[in-house]
Amino acid sequence: GENVEQHPSTLSVQEGDSAVIKCTYSDSASNYFPWYKQELGKRPQLIIDIRSNVGEKKDQRIAVTLNKTAKHFSLHITETQPEDSAVYFCAASMAGANNLFFGTGTRLTVIP
Amino acid sequence: DSGVTQTPKHLITATGQRVTLRCSPRSGDLSVYWYQQSLDQGLQFLIQYYNGEERAKGNILERFSAQQFPDLHSELNLSSLELGDSALYFCASSVDYGPYGYTFGSGTRLTVV
Repeated sequence: GENVEQHPSTLSVQEGDSAVIKCTYSDSASNYFPWYKQELGKRPQLIIDIRSNVGEKKDQRIAVTLNKTAKHFSLHITETQPEDSAVYFCAASMAGANNLFFGTGTRLTVIP
Repeated sequence: DSGVTQTPKHLITATGQRVTLRCSPRSGDLSVYWYQQSLDQGLQFLIQYYNGEERAKGNILERFSAQQFPDLHSELNLSSLELGDSALYFCASSVDYGPYGYTFGSGTRLTVV
């Protein structure tokens, strides 16, 4: 099955700085890559996703980039705010599969 | 409120016992997925049901089973519980059987003592 690795496991940034979280995947057949944000004690919430026919997608302060050749994708958060503090999970899904394979998460702390 | 309802929110039980976790999907969603999240771990896929039928299975232990009922709610049964089964159990739902646009419920925190 698919193996998703996520780095770093923890990340601290000053408010207003950018944050980048990187993930790699193992199966070249994977074609869907969502990112989830999980605040403490809450459910994971989808914040952005990208499909393999697209190289980059933006939504306000967040963006995701995908490099299919290198099998890695990244989440970029610009102008970070304290409310961005949470655990972020990347995930991948293979074509024809019904489930997601998740990374182990990155705990982002935005320091005011 | 995501529209996916999970009960109970918290469950404390002893080793060897059996528990049932319940999930009601968002209105209109036919797929229900169960995931396990252990401490400091990512989410591990357990099982998926679509419109009452099992569609995919992940690393689900034989002690665990699930079903989806005609009203589309799903139950995850965990038996012969061990300390290591302590985790957050999330249910997610989606309109069809693909992984797109999952909506997660708030989870059930299971503590086995």
